[in-house]
Amino acid sequence: AAGVIQSPRHLIKEKRETATLKCYPIPRHDTVYWYQQGPGQDPQFLISFYEKMQSDKGSIPDRFSAQQFSDYHSELNMSSLELGDSALYFCASSLYPPGTGNSPLHFGNGTRLTVT
Amino acid sequence: GENVEQHPSTLSVQEGDSAVIKCTYSDSASNYFPWYKQELGKRPQLIIDIRSNVGEKKDQRIAVTLNKTAKHFSLHITETQPEDSAVYFCAASTNFGNEKLTFGTGTRLTIIP
Repeated sequence: AAGVIQSPRHLIKEKRETATLKCYPIPRHDTVYWYQQGPGQDPQFLISFYEKMQSDKGSIPDRFSAQQFSDYHSELNMSSLELGDSALYFCASSLYPPGTGNSPLHFGNGTRLTVT
Repeated sequence: GENVEQHPSTLSVQEGDSAVIKCTYSDSASNYFPWYKQELGKRPQLIIDIRSNVGEKKDQRIAVTLNKTAKHFSLHITETQPEDSAVYFCAASTNFGNEKLTFGTGTRLTIIP
């Protein structure tokens, strides 16, 4: 079965650079969630989208922005990167709109961002 | 907002014995409680979940119990095997799961052969 696809798998950037992470949800899933997981930490919710509109926002820094496109893939844009942004970034998708269904989150394999 | 606490942070269990991980949550509106298993550098994988209208759920060697009054839920793994070694996260959300998850801090489970 198709899963959530994230690219790239690994990304190395220097401080103050920008990075773009991509997420392709499971086909027919139109809800996407982004999570950030620091070393030894639990995943922290960043932001979510449904039908190309932001549906919820968590602890996402102002330096980060995200959007969902017409094909439902999502991109997380990170600017002015800091050392503390080094983490695993997971995308998850869901079949139903937020708050309406019985739909467990399916996580992608993540993008490991290293800021040097 | 929701706050989920998880204990213990590390747990070592002899192979074949049982392991229990406990979580408490703060938001009485939470009604969906999944458990994820995460191996090093890999994605969290859902292993079992429970909704607030159910007190207990079992899937082979894995079971989860929920006490809504006390706002706590537990993961039970019986007949543990070396491949059960991983970090386990509990989580909570409202709207029966189709919302953002608030995760616990994780339990590193080590099965001793």
